[in-house]
Amino acid sequence: LAKTTQPISMDSYEGQEVNITCSHNNIATNDYITWYQQFPSQGPRFIIQGYKTKVTNEVASLFIPADRKSSTLSLPRVSLSDTAVYYCLSGTYKYIFGTGTRLKVLA
Amino acid sequence: SQTIHQWPATLVQPVGSPLSLECTVEGTSNPNLYWYRQAAGRGLQLLFYSVGIGQISSEVPQNLSASRPQDRQFILSSKKLLLSDSGFYLCAWTGGTKNIQYFGAGTRLSVL
Repeated sequence: LAKTTQPISMDSYEGQEVNITCSHNNIATNDYITWYQQFPSQGPRFIIQGYKTKVTNEVASLFIPADRKSSTLSLPRVSLSDTAVYYCLSGTYKYIFGTGTRLKVLA
Repeated sequence: SQTIHQWPATLVQPVGSPLSLECTVEGTSNPNLYWYRQAAGRGLQLLFYSVGIGQISSEVPQNLSASRPQDRQFILSSKKLLLSDSGFYLCAWTGGTKNIQYFGAGTRLSVL
């Protein structure tokens, strides 16, 4: 069963780059690594997904080392609206969300 | 495009009353379906998932049950609610090879 570990909380200031790292215990060969963002009273929203190396989209980058035992979500130039909880996941059918990382962006 | 509908948005129920939450997905076929519960300030707890009609996997033994009567319909039920059943219930689906989960808007359940 894929289990992830990530920091419970982080603070940052507007305009800074934020990196959130996740450890992926027992990640399976075929599993993708996926990151989600959740605002209060809403369902998590997909941010980015990757299998290995680096993936970039319009909102974030995802770095995955060769051994795939960890991943790092990079949010460039955060704003106050990026204050949310961020979850990393890996798995096939059964997805176990950890506690997530509560990011607080300060003015 | 695919959409997921979950209702109601909020629900207040007395202890001991029954529960039925419904979730439907449009625009896709044979999705994997999920029910999660989130307590205030906590992460998501996987309750049930289904990979096909009539197939339900339970992750947490409790007084809740789930059913999938149709391909794109997932129902969460209880015969008698407990105070501890209060929380934010989320339905989600995945499809395709990359299994990205898409969530509904959630139901805020308060058991009093």
